[in-house]
Amino acid sequence: DGGITQSPKYLFRKEGQNVTLSCEQNLNHDAMYWYRQDPGQGLRLIYYSQIVNDFQKGDIAEGYSVSREKKESFPLTVTSAQKNPTAFYLCASGHRYEQYFGPGTRLTVT
Amino acid sequence: QKEVEQNSGPLSVPEGAIASLNCTYSDRGSQSFFWYRQYSGKSPELIMSIYSNGDKEDGRFTAQLNKASQYVSLLIRDSQPSDSATYLCAVNMISFSGSARQLTFGSGTQLTVLP
Repeated sequence: DGGITQSPKYLFRKEGQNVTLSCEQNLNHDAMYWYRQDPGQGLRLIYYSQIVNDFQKGDIAEGYSVSREKKESFPLTVTSAQKNPTAFYLCASGHRYEQYFGPGTRLTVT
Repeated sequence: QKEVEQNSGPLSVPEGAIASLNCTYSDRGSQSFFWYRQYSGKSPELIMSIYSNGDKEDGRFTAQLNKASQYVSLLIRDSQPSDSATYLCAVNMISFSGSARQLTFGSGTQLTVLP
C-alpha cells in the first residue's frame, strides 16, 4: 500500500519540551514538506526537502528543525523555542509540483 | 507578499446544484494551480490540478484558469452532501523566504451541500 504515514495522530506535551513528529512515505517521491494549519487558516510551509541530506526553511521555520537522512523519512522537531506550537501538522510528499498529504498530527502543548 | 485569496464562505448550495468556488492570486509568474478538498478534522486531498488557460474536467469537477485575470475556479456539478468540505486553492509561487517556488495556500472556502 503506497502512501504517507504520520505518527502519532494526537500528541500532548508540556510547555518547554521538545517533541518530534514522524513522517514516512513509500511513494518514491524526492520532495517532502512540513506545514502547519491553524483553525480557519490555510497551510503555512515550515520546512521542505527536495533531496536527501538537504532541506530548506519555509515561511515559518523559527522554532522548528528537520532532518532528511533517508528518502522515505522527514521528521520534524518542534522545539521549546516555538512560541505557539499547538496546531495541526501536515507532512506532504510530491513529484514535480503536485503534493500529497499524510493524515496529520494534532499537537497540543499546555 | 505573494497571496492567494479565497472567499471564506460558508457557501451553501442545494443538492444537485452547481457549486462555484473562486480563487485569485497575486504572482503573475505562477504556472501551476491546484484544488484540495479537506473534510473536517482530516488532511487535504488533491482533487484537481491545472496548468494551462481554459477548462479541465474530471467527473463532476471542472477547474477553470485565466492567467491574464489571475483567477482560478472550481465548479462542482450535481453537488452531493458528501461534497460538503473546505476547498483549498493552492498556487505555485515564489515563497515568502524567496528561495524557490512553493505552493501557497488560500485559507479555504467552506462548502455545505444541503439535502
